[in-house]
Amino acid sequence: DAMVIQNPRYQVTQFGKPVTLSCSQTLNHNVMYWYQQKSSQAPKLLFHYYDKDFNNEADTPDNFQSRRPNTSFCFLDIRSPGLGDAAMYLCATSRGDGTEAFFGQGTRLTVV
Amino acid sequence: AQRVTQPEKLLSVFKGAPVELKCNYSYSGSPELFWYVQYSRQRLQLLLRHISRESIKGFTADLNKGETSFHLKKPFAQEEDSAMYYCALRRTTSNTGKLIFGQGTTLQVKP
Repeated sequence: DAMVIQNPRYQVTQFGKPVTLSCSQTLNHNVMYWYQQKSSQAPKLLFHYYDKDFNNEADTPDNFQSRRPNTSFCFLDIRSPGLGDAAMYLCATSRGDGTEAFFGQGTRLTVV
Repeated sequence: AQRVTQPEKLLSVFKGAPVELKCNYSYSGSPELFWYVQYSRQRLQLLLRHISRESIKGFTADLNKGETSFHLKKPFAQEEDSAMYYCALRRTTSNTGKLIFGQGTTLQVKP
């Protein structure tokens, strides 16, 4: 049974058109993360939520925002996608004690 | 700055051959190291972590603080081991599971 679910699996958006990616979890974990993975590169953390506390990585562009309306859901908003934002976006969760992270299958974003 | 380096993008071996996937890290403190694996069309999942000192699917990894390495080893590779392997680091000062990943190594086990 999938525990971290990302929708959609594939997303095509137009240059400059806002897009939202979603992630839900059934694990009741405190922490939810968003990673960006470009082709042949390491997954790179964009930000994470520890419960309701938002933690942005220093080098995450302002174009990327996130919302966590409740424990189960977390959204990644890209306000004005550029061609360079095409990537696989991975959502992950973990308990607050820093144990194993559980990943979703990812959303592959294409910008046209 | 914390960094994880996996020097090989691709490692190709024959079935039954030994495998060693290299991982080196840089971190001034005491890190926690992990290996994650991604099989074809599946999600990224934890393979093993150094503090548990387990052997999972025949794989082992030992943290060598002197060499700042956490290489993944298996004595006899199987075809089903073919996958993408990521080494990852978590700062022990972090109260979350924030991970810093290496670039990954594709392991290809040929019949």
